[in-house]
Amino acid sequence: DIQMTQSPSSLSASVGDRVTITCRASQNINRYLNWYQQKPGKAPKLLIYAASSLQSGVPSRFSGSGSGTDFTLTISSLQPEDFATYYCQQTYNTPWTFGQGTRVEIK
Amino acid sequence: QLQLQESGPGLVQPSETLSLTCTISGGSIGISNYYWGWIRQPPGKGLEWIGSVYYSGSTNYNPSLKSRVTISVDTSKIQFSLELSSVTAADTAVYYCARRGSYYDSSSGYYFFDYWGQGILVTVSS
Repeated sequence: DIQMTQSPSSLSASVGDRVTITCRASQNINRYLNWYQQKPGKAPKLLIYAASSLQSGVPSRFSGSGSGTDFTLTISSLQPEDFATYYCQQTYNTPWTFGQGTRVEIK
Repeated sequence: QLQLQESGPGLVQPSETLSLTCTISGGSIGISNYYWGWIRQPPGKGLEWIGSVYYSGSTNYNPSLKSRVTISVDTSKIQFSLELSSVTAADTAVYYCARRGSYYDSSSGYYFFDYWGQGILVTVSS
């Protein structure tokens, strides 16, 4: 199985901050990388697919980049509604696997 | 607007079979290029893909669960289902159903879960 490792596991930030979350794959996954946002008690929400394509309806402050083994999710200006846990997912090979999550907390 | 809703028992006895159904509304289950999947999340932990099914009945499963999992589709009821046999406490989780969407560029097809149900907590306990 392809292992997905996110860093950091958690971070504290203030409204307006630029936030970057990293996801590393255990092997080359090209651009087969998605990002999800999950709030407590809710289902994950797709933010980014194919490493850098913004899902319809997702604010443009979210962006994704990378290919191969290293990927980043960037929130350009953190908003109150962005405090949540973020997961990366690879769909290069089955079993599709997720990172362990990055919790973004209020500073 | 496409909506998915999980249903089934919230408590299952150890060694028994967990059975869940996902009902789709606002759309069709028989659209080409869409698979339908199950993902689970143990309390306080991360996400695990269980498997997916196509409207034709074609399936793919996570090898770690394959010996215990069956995912099936009922196009007449616009539903798909999950069965997980011989459950233990380790199978306690929130179970989500989701649609596997796709995007194609000039060279590749990319897949992702774009619509999710709200999730259902299933506890395995006697």
